Amino acid sequence: SQTIHQWPATLVQPVGSPLSLECTVEGTSNPNLYWYRQAAGRGLQLLFYSVGIGQISSEVPQNLSASRPQDRQFILSSKKLLLSDSGFYLCAWSASYTGELFFGEGSRLTVL
Amino acid sequence: GIQVEQSPPDLILQEGANSTLRCNFSDSVNNLQWFHQNPWGQLINLFYIPSGTKQNGRLSATTVATERYSLLYISSSQTTDSGVYFCAVASGGSNYKLTFGKGTLLTVNP
Repeated sequence: SQTIHQWPATLVQPVGSPLSLECTVEGTSNPNLYWYRQAAGRGLQLLFYSVGIGQISSEVPQNLSASRPQDRQFILSSKKLLLSDSGFYLCAWSASYTGELFFGEGSRLTVL
Repeated sequence: GIQVEQSPPDLILQEGANSTLRCNFSDSVNNLQWFHQNPWGQLINLFYIPSGTKQNGRLSATTVATERYSLLYISSSQTTDSGVYFCAVASGGSNYKLTFGKGTLLTVNP
């Protein structure tokens, strides 16, 4: 069966510091991969998605970037964090033929 | 882009009660999912249901694509059902770019 993991689960970072969140999927090949953010309140915002290695689409211009160095690995990065980057970040995957989405456990980022 | 509206925004129930959550969307869809976000933040798949009816234990869902709505039914609610329920849809040429509603916050009291 397929599994998805992301880490770290929580982190507290000072303003201006770098960020790296990592996500890996097991049990499937060539998945679509996604990064979502959930700020205070409920809404989920799609940040990036990828349909293949090296193919990244950005949905919202911001202080973050994403990379997909391997088929089942997706990384969210920032060179310098802002206070507004605080939130709950969720990695997700879907099979390209259905689009059914499955989420990882989430990473809670607090920027101070 | 497609608009997704969920109702009610908040719902408080006593344990054992039944409830219906609604999701309206503004365009035809090729993907519709219901999720439950538990108190720890994890999003759990409930149903992948772009059309038709599905049931899983005490939960069931119906999507009437021609009328652009979906319903999630929770029967005999339990305190562990508490959390936020999200509807998410995709339309047009891509089935993978989901747009989420704002969710329904369900609180089930013992």
